[in-house]
Amino acid sequence: SYVLTQPPSVSVAPGQTASITCGRNNIGSKGVHWYQQKPGQAPVLVVYDDSDRPSGIPERFSGSNSGNTATLTISRVEAGDEADYYCQVWDSSSDHPYVFGTGTKVNVL
Amino acid sequence: QVQLVESGGGFVKPGGSLRLSCAASEFTFSDYYMTWIRQAPGKGLEWVSYISGGSYSTNYADSVKGRFTISRDNARNSLHLQMNRLRDEDTAVYYCARVRVVGASLAHPTLTYYMDVWGKGTTVTVSS
Repeated sequence: SYVLTQPPSVSVAPGQTASITCGRNNIGSKGVHWYQQKPGQAPVLVVYDDSDRPSGIPERFSGSNSGNTATLTISRVEAGDEADYYCQVWDSSSDHPYVFGTGTKVNVL
Repeated sequence: QVQLVESGGGFVKPGGSLRLSCAASEFTFSDYYMTWIRQAPGKGLEWVSYISGGSYSTNYADSVKGRFTISRDNARNSLHLQMNRLRDEDTAVYYCARVRVVGASLAHPTLTYYMDVWGKGTTVTVSS
């Protein structure tokens, strides 16, 4: 089955940049979507189709995707960005087409 | 604004049944695929099932196939998940979500789907 690998955690100081990776062979050929989930809350879409932002999501959130790695970048990190982040792709060749990454906890120091 | 509200969760013994519902508002419900996603305590997100706008197409994760049934009532703007023969490992928060599609492009030769609106979730606990 399709597995998306993320680092378990990333630590970053306020004002700095956090980069969260999502890895899979040739992931660059697929559209990657990112969700933010704060404790006790539902996930929220922050980036779709590699690099597009839904309305209301700050420009500090950006995405890229090439080769074997997709990346969510959070610039000028704020305390409120502390959350779990999940990448997701749609795998048309699978019986389980909605595939989520393993998740990354962003810790704001 | 666009909203999804789940209900129907609760405590049930192994082998029991529950029916989850999701009420949609402020969008043309029948135009969208809908999906159920679950999250076991302390774990990541797991796709459970999806259904097309006209109910012509459904699909299920292997872990629930043959036990869960997804359905929708477009006249009532509601989505449902009938869960039978529940197991301990079905314990999770269940989210309903609206599905959006991005067309194929030079960068991505196939369609891709993502969830742009999520409900707050309903908790299902299966335990003896």
